[in-house]
Amino acid sequence: SSELTQDPAVSVALGQTVRITCQGDSLRTYFPTWYQQKPRQAPVLVIYGENNRPSGIPDRFSGSSSGNAASLTITGAQAEDEADYYCNSRDSSGNYWLFGGGTKLTVL
Amino acid sequence: QVQLQQWGPGLLKPSETLSLTCTVYGGSFSGYYWTWIRQAPEKGLEWIGEIAHSGDISYNPSLKSRVTISGDTSKSQFSLRLTALTAADTAVYYCARGHYGSGWDAWGQGTLLIVSS
Repeated sequence: SSELTQDPAVSVALGQTVRITCQGDSLRTYFPTWYQQKPRQAPVLVIYGENNRPSGIPDRFSGSSSGNAASLTITGAQAEDEADYYCNSRDSSGNYWLFGGGTKLTVL
Repeated sequence: QVQLQQWGPGLLKPSETLSLTCTVYGGSFSGYYWTWIRQAPEKGLEWIGEIAHSGDISYNPSLKSRVTISGDTSKSQFSLRLTALTAADTAVYYCARGHYGSGWDAWGQGTLLIVSS
């Protein structure tokens, strides 16, 4: 498959938990990586592999996968988490990379 | 702490060729794959292609006929060449370092390219 699908926008109340989802056939084979992008900044890696956070990423960020879907969960969302989030994985053939369309997270 | 610094033109005309170079400072060039990603205004991320430390190169099928990625390990640099530009190539272009199984953990600052006559 050559597509990863994300909801365009999600909102969450400050301090609450939000799940950002990503769907695609390639997720049956590959764990996604997740990137956070704030306006006029380069993306930042927040989750990779089964559920791994790079150094410096708060532990309120976590990832999970099941079947053809994956989720990025923010437990106790903070104002600074307001950003666009992109999922990414190999395509089903493993030959190239796909990005989801991105989810704009608003923290209310 | 690895840093990626990229440079290239900001304005080109349709049909011209984009050349961008990314230099890696403070980290090894080996053991990673080196990637170009772009983002059109108000749009999502698009993978352009990459060169592995082994020299293997892969491209986005939608751009493959116009893209060339090369690397110079002696200078810790890798480059992007995109030919036959159109307005649809207007985007911020990023270089990034990829680690197998771990995603792109270091990014350049981005270069805004505007294609306009």
